[in-house]
Amino acid sequence: GQQLNQSPQSMFIQEGEDVSMNCTSSSIFNTWLWYKQDPGEGPVLLIALYKAGELTSNGRLTAQFGITRKDSFLNISASIPSDVGIYFCAGPRAGNNRKLIWGLGTSLAVNP
Amino acid sequence: DAGITQSPRHKVTETGTPVTLRCHQTENHRYMYWYRQDPGHGLRLIHYSYGVKDTDKGEVSDGYSVSRSKTEDFLLTLESATSSQTSVYFCAISETNSRALNTEAFFGQGTRLTVV
Repeated sequence: GQQLNQSPQSMFIQEGEDVSMNCTSSSIFNTWLWYKQDPGEGPVLLIALYKAGELTSNGRLTAQFGITRKDSFLNISASIPSDVGIYFCAGPRAGNNRKLIWGLGTSLAVNP
Repeated sequence: DAGITQSPRHKVTETGTPVTLRCHQTENHRYMYWYRQDPGHGLRLIHYSYGVKDTDKGEVSDGYSVSRSKTEDFLLTLESATSSQTSVYFCAISETNSRALNTEAFFGQGTRLTVV
């Protein structure tokens, strides 16, 4: 079945550093979504990608839809303390785009 | 922020009792979802709705039922709560976008349910 593998599971970085995380699947996806979840809150959509090779930015965040359509990457430049949280990738199941498959998340900690 | 309200935000209940969680939206979105989030499992879909009175099961639907009698409300019922249903429950909504994709889900703030 379809699964999303996120890596790394967790990261601990210094403020100002750049961050890179990725999401891979054994199946092809037509959409990649990146969410961030702050403690005690629901996930918030950061970036949506719809086309292979697409590169999209949202402030200091940049995400790319892999050419093979089996992976996606999220980069955060010049990290700040408020970047702390869990970052999830998600994508719609094949044949039913009403249902999303979720990765298990990358937990990011930023040391000021 | 998308207009999604979950109630209650916190609940403690006893094993064997029925529990109903409510999700209310003001966005008039067609699709509504209930997820549970547990450490090590990420977000798992319980049930979802694609219109009034139209619902379907997700991957962890056993022990849960849902109802949607109005566009704006989606109720999740635990018929007889068990300790394994202690979790954080999130409601989400989505709508078809300009690319005919309805995957951009917006989430409520969650309900923390403890079954003792």
